[in-house]
Amino acid sequence: EDKVVQSPLSLVVHEGDTVTLNCSYEVTNFRSLLWYKQEKKAPTFLFMLTSSGIEKKSGRLSSILDKKELFSILNITATQTGDSAVYLCAVRNTGNQFYFGTGTSLTVIP
Amino acid sequence: NAGVTQIPKFQVLKTGQSMTLQCAQDMNHEYMSWYRQDPGMGLRLIHYSVGAGITDQGEVPNGYNVSRSTTEDFPLRLLSAAPSQTSVYFCASDQGGEQYFGPGTRLTVT
Repeated sequence: EDKVVQSPLSLVVHEGDTVTLNCSYEVTNFRSLLWYKQEKKAPTFLFMLTSSGIEKKSGRLSSILDKKELFSILNITATQTGDSAVYLCAVRNTGNQFYFGTGTSLTVIP
Repeated sequence: NAGVTQIPKFQVLKTGQSMTLQCAQDMNHEYMSWYRQDPGMGLRLIHYSVGAGITDQGEVPNGYNVSRSTTEDFPLRLLSAAPSQTSVYFCASDQGGEQYFGPGTRLTVT
């Protein structure tokens, strides 16, 4: 059975902290792994990863994929209250099906 | 550019009623999909389409029908609503892997 597992389920940090969110997967015919941010509305795209070991970076956010160990991490440095959201990980297979994890809820306290 | 639009935003149905959730995109994307999001379950793929005239089932297709007569539109039909279909429904489109989500439809079946 294809599945995506995210950890931790929730996280509470103070502004300025650095956080690491985890995503492991068991999906046959892997095509890509994607990260989204969801703030009480529709998810918004953050990163798409297809190759192992190549870091994707956008401002304070970065992500990397390990296709051998079947996981990805999303790092957020110098967190701000605006980073509070649910972060979703999804894996797309070559048949164009997407499998989502249940998300990590991040709360950043001022 | 409106992106992905969904109609309606909210809907209450009685058990056994039918309805169609509308989804349209103006980005000329070939791939479109429907998800439902339930607490603790993450996003689950219902149906998807890789182009006009082509649809396929996702993870949870039972109770839902779709069609794709044009590139722009991808309606989701509930033939006989059940309380288990109470959920938030998201439509998405993508070209090349970056999915754009609509604002969602919150459906309650009583």
